[in-house]
Amino acid sequence: GQNIDQPTEMTATEGAIVQINCTYQTSGFNGLFWYQQHAGEAPTFLSYNVLDGLEEKGRFSSFLSRSKGYSYLLLKELQMKDSASYLCAVKDSNYQLIWGAGTKLIIKP
Amino acid sequence: DVKVTQSSRYLVKRTGEKVFLECVQDMDHENMFWYRQDPGLGLRLIYFSYDVKMKEKGDIPEGYSVSREKKERFSLILESASTNQTSMYLCASGPGTGDSTEAFFGQGTRLTVV
Repeated sequence: GQNIDQPTEMTATEGAIVQINCTYQTSGFNGLFWYQQHAGEAPTFLSYNVLDGLEEKGRFSSFLSRSKGYSYLLLKELQMKDSASYLCAVKDSNYQLIWGAGTKLIIKP
Repeated sequence: DVKVTQSSRYLVKRTGEKVFLECVQDMDHENMFWYRQDPGLGLRLIYFSYDVKMKEKGDIPEGYSVSREKKERFSLILESASTNQTSMYLCASGPGTGDSTEAFFGQGTRLTVV
Protein backbone atom coordinates (compact mmCIF):
# COMPACT_ATOMS: atom_id res chain seq x y z
CA GLY A 1 0.00 0.00 0.00
CA GLN A 2 0.91 3.65 -0.18
CA ASN A 3 2.17 5.36 2.92
CA ILE A 4 3.38 8.77 4.05
CA ASP A 5 4.93 9.07 7.53
CA GLN A 6 5.47 12.25 9.51
CA PRO A 7 5.91 12.90 13.23
CA THR A 8 2.63 13.69 14.91
CA GLU A 9 3.80 16.68 16.90
CA MET A 10 6.92 18.77 17.39
CA THR A 11 7.81 21.64 19.71
CA ALA A 12 10.35 24.37 19.03
CA THR A 13 11.35 27.75 20.41
CA GLU A 14 10.76 31.13 18.80
CA GLY A 15 13.81 32.19 16.80
CA ALA A 16 15.16 28.65 16.49
CA ILE A 17 15.30 26.20 13.56
CA VAL A 18 13.13 23.10 13.18
CA GLN A 19 13.22 20.24 10.68
CA ILE A 20 10.07 18.26 9.93
CA ASN A 21 10.71 14.91 8.27
CA CYS A 22 8.55 12.99 5.83
CA THR A 23 9.16 9.48 4.49
CA TYR A 24 7.07 7.95 1.77
CA GLN A 25 6.34 4.69 0.00
CA THR A 26 4.17 5.23 -3.05
CA SER A 27 3.44 3.59 -6.38
CA GLY A 28 5.46 5.96 -8.51
CA PHE A 29 6.59 9.48 -7.80
CA ASN A 30 5.65 12.71 -9.54
CA GLY A 31 6.61 15.27 -6.96
CA LEU A 32 6.35 16.04 -3.27
CA PHE A 33 4.43 18.94 -1.75
CA TRP A 34 4.46 20.65 1.61
CA TYR A 35 1.41 22.52 2.85
CA GLN A 36 0.81 24.62 5.96
CA GLN A 37 -2.52 24.45 7.76
CA HIS A 38 -3.43 26.73 10.64
CA ALA A 39 -6.07 25.42 13.03
CA GLY A 40 -9.55 25.67 11.51
CA GLU A 41 -8.24 26.94 8.19
CA ALA A 42 -7.53 25.54 4.73
CA PRO A 43 -4.13 24.08 3.83
CA THR A 44 -1.95 26.49 1.86
CA PHE A 45 0.87 25.53 -0.50
CA LEU A 46 4.44 25.97 0.75
CA SER A 47 6.79 24.08 -1.56
CA TYR A 48 7.24 21.52 -4.30
CA ASN A 49 10.17 19.17 -4.97
CA VAL A 50 10.52 16.79 -7.88
CA LEU A 51 14.32 16.58 -8.21
CA ASP A 52 16.78 15.67 -5.48
CA GLY A 53 18.16 18.54 -3.48
CA LEU A 54 17.19 21.60 -1.55
CA GLU A 55 14.64 24.23 -2.56
CA GLU A 56 14.86 27.44 -0.60
CA LYS A 57 12.09 29.98 -0.24
CA GLY A 58 12.77 32.64 2.35
CA ARG A 59 12.71 31.18 5.86
CA PHE A 60 11.42 27.85 4.54
CA SER A 61 13.43 25.20 2.68
CA SER A 62 12.45 21.75 1.49
CA PHE A 63 14.76 18.85 0.71
CA LEU A 64 14.14 15.69 -1.30
CA SER A 65 15.98 12.40 -1.70
CA ARG A 66 14.06 10.17 -4.10
CA SER A 67 16.36 7.18 -3.58
CA LYS A 68 15.62 7.26 0.15
CA GLY A 69 11.96 8.17 -0.14
CA TYR A 70 12.62 11.08 2.17
CA SER A 71 11.94 14.76 2.45
CA TYR A 72 12.22 17.41 5.11
CA LEU A 73 10.87 20.90 5.61
CA LEU A 74 13.25 23.27 7.35
CA LEU A 75 11.89 26.35 9.07
CA LYS A 76 14.38 28.99 10.20
CA GLU A 77 14.00 31.98 12.52
CA LEU A 78 10.78 30.56 13.87
CA GLN A 79 7.94 32.95 14.61
CA MET A 80 4.85 32.39 16.71
CA LYS A 81 2.72 32.51 13.55
CA ASP A 82 4.52 29.38 12.31
CA SER A 83 2.51 27.36 14.84
CA ALA A 84 0.46 25.18 12.52
CA SER A 85 0.21 21.72 11.05
CA TYR A 86 2.53 20.88 8.17
CA LEU A 87 1.28 18.36 5.64
CA CYS A 88 3.48 16.29 3.34
CA ALA A 89 1.92 14.93 0.14
CA VAL A 90 3.28 12.90 -2.78
CA LYS A 91 1.89 12.65 -6.30
CA ASP A 92 1.88 9.00 -7.32
CA SER A 93 2.13 7.43 -10.77
CA ASN A 94 -1.50 8.41 -11.46
CA TYR A 95 -0.82 12.02 -10.43
CA GLN A 96 -3.02 11.55 -7.39
CA LEU A 97 -1.94 13.24 -4.16
CA ILE A 98 -1.24 10.89 -1.26
CA TRP A 99 -1.28 12.76 2.05
CA GLY A 100 0.50 12.30 5.33
CA ALA A 101 -1.43 12.87 8.56
CA GLY A 102 0.43 16.10 9.21
CA THR A 103 2.85 17.35 11.86
CA LYS A 104 1.53 19.77 14.46
CA LEU A 105 4.27 22.31 15.22
CA ILE A 106 4.06 24.16 18.52
CA ILE A 107 6.21 27.26 18.92
CA LYS A 108 7.05 28.39 22.44
CA PRO A 109 8.29 31.89 23.35
CA ASP B 1 -5.59 35.11 -6.13
CA VAL B 2 -7.28 31.77 -6.64
CA LYS B 3 -10.41 31.52 -4.62
CA VAL B 4 -12.15 28.29 -3.64
CA THR B 5 -15.32 28.92 -1.67
CA GLN B 6 -17.31 26.38 0.29
CA SER B 7 -20.89 27.23 1.07
CA SER B 8 -20.78 26.67 4.83
CA ARG B 9 -18.12 26.73 7.54
CA TYR B 10 -20.21 24.76 10.03
CA LEU B 11 -23.17 22.44 9.57
CA VAL B 12 -25.18 20.31 11.98
CA LYS B 13 -27.43 17.68 10.44
CA ARG B 14 -29.52 14.80 11.72
CA THR B 15 -28.90 11.15 10.96
CA GLY B 16 -30.64 10.14 7.75
CA GLU B 17 -30.80 13.64 6.28
CA LYS B 18 -29.61 14.34 2.76
CA VAL B 19 -26.75 16.85 2.92
CA PHE B 20 -25.35 19.03 0.16
CA LEU B 21 -21.91 20.62 0.39
CA GLU B 22 -21.19 23.15 -2.32
CA CYS B 23 -17.84 24.31 -3.65
CA VAL B 24 -17.12 27.03 -6.20
CA GLN B 25 -13.78 28.03 -7.71
CA ASP B 26 -13.09 31.14 -9.76
CA MET B 27 -9.93 30.21 -11.70
CA ASP B 28 -11.35 28.05 -14.49
CA HIS B 29 -9.60 24.94 -13.12
CA GLU B 30 -10.30 21.60 -14.75
CA ASN B 31 -9.76 19.53 -11.63
CA MET B 32 -11.81 19.61 -8.46
CA PHE B 33 -11.58 17.38 -5.40
CA TRP B 34 -13.46 16.55 -2.23
CA TYR B 35 -11.51 15.36 0.83
CA ARG B 36 -12.37 14.64 4.39
CA GLN B 37 -9.91 15.34 7.19
CA ASP B 38 -10.02 13.53 10.51
CA PRO B 39 -7.62 13.79 13.46
CA GLY B 40 -4.60 11.50 13.11
CA LEU B 41 -5.40 10.67 9.50
CA GLY B 42 -4.21 12.30 6.33
CA LEU B 43 -6.53 13.96 3.90
CA ARG B 44 -8.60 11.22 2.32
CA LEU B 45 -9.96 11.64 -1.18
CA ILE B 46 -13.69 11.04 -1.54
CA TYR B 47 -14.30 11.96 -5.19
CA PHE B 48 -12.66 14.04 -7.87
CA SER B 49 -13.56 15.43 -11.24
CA TYR B 50 -11.41 16.29 -14.27
CA ASP B 51 -14.15 17.91 -16.31
CA VAL B 52 -17.78 18.92 -16.36
CA LYS B 53 -20.13 15.99 -15.78
CA MET B 54 -17.15 13.74 -15.14
CA LYS B 55 -16.45 12.11 -11.77
CA GLU B 56 -14.09 9.54 -10.39
CA LYS B 57 -14.17 7.69 -7.10
CA GLY B 58 -11.40 8.37 -4.65
CA ASP B 59 -10.34 6.22 -1.73
CA ILE B 60 -13.51 6.47 0.38
CA PRO B 61 -16.54 7.11 -1.87
CA GLU B 62 -19.03 4.96 0.08
CA GLY B 63 -21.97 6.97 1.34
CA TYR B 64 -21.18 9.95 -0.89
CA SER B 65 -21.98 11.13 -4.38
CA VAL B 66 -20.95 14.21 -6.36
CA SER B 67 -22.22 16.46 -9.09
CA ARG B 68 -20.37 18.71 -11.50
CA GLU B 69 -22.83 20.37 -13.85
CA LYS B 70 -20.69 23.48 -14.34
CA LYS B 71 -16.92 23.80 -14.48
CA GLU B 72 -16.71 26.11 -11.48
CA ARG B 73 -18.97 24.14 -9.16
CA PHE B 74 -18.46 20.75 -7.52
CA SER B 75 -21.03 19.47 -5.06
CA LEU B 76 -20.68 16.69 -2.50
CA ILE B 77 -23.85 14.86 -1.48
CA LEU B 78 -24.36 12.70 1.55
CA GLU B 79 -27.38 10.65 0.55
CA SER B 80 -28.28 9.66 4.11
CA ALA B 81 -26.02 11.23 6.70
CA SER B 82 -24.60 9.02 9.42
CA THR B 83 -22.65 9.86 12.57
CA ASN B 84 -19.44 8.41 11.11
CA GLN B 85 -19.57 11.11 8.48
CA THR B 86 -18.95 13.76 11.10
CA SER B 87 -15.74 15.34 9.82
CA MET B 88 -14.03 18.32 8.24
CA TYR B 89 -14.71 18.39 4.51
CA LEU B 90 -12.27 20.19 2.23
CA CYS B 91 -12.79 21.07 -1.39
CA ALA B 92 -9.81 21.73 -3.65
CA SER B 93 -9.20 22.71 -7.24
CA GLY B 94 -6.21 22.60 -9.59
CA PRO B 95 -5.43 23.62 -13.16
CA GLY B 96 -4.33 20.27 -14.58
CA THR B 97 -2.51 17.01 -14.04
CA GLY B 98 0.99 18.29 -14.65
CA ASP B 99 3.73 17.43 -12.20
CA SER B 100 3.94 20.74 -10.39
CA THR B 101 0.24 21.32 -10.17
CA GLU B 102 -0.64 22.38 -6.68
CA ALA B 103 -4.08 22.14 -5.17
CA PHE B 104 -5.91 25.21 -3.85
CA PHE B 105 -8.24 24.56 -0.94
CA GLY B 106 -11.46 26.03 0.30
CA GLN B 107 -11.82 27.01 3.95
CA GLY B 108 -13.48 23.73 4.89
CA THR B 109 -16.88 22.70 6.19
CA ARG B 110 -17.05 21.15 9.62
CA LEU B 111 -20.02 18.80 9.51
CA THR B 112 -21.54 17.29 12.62
CA VAL B 113 -24.13 14.55 12.24
CA VAL B 114 -26.24 13.97 15.34
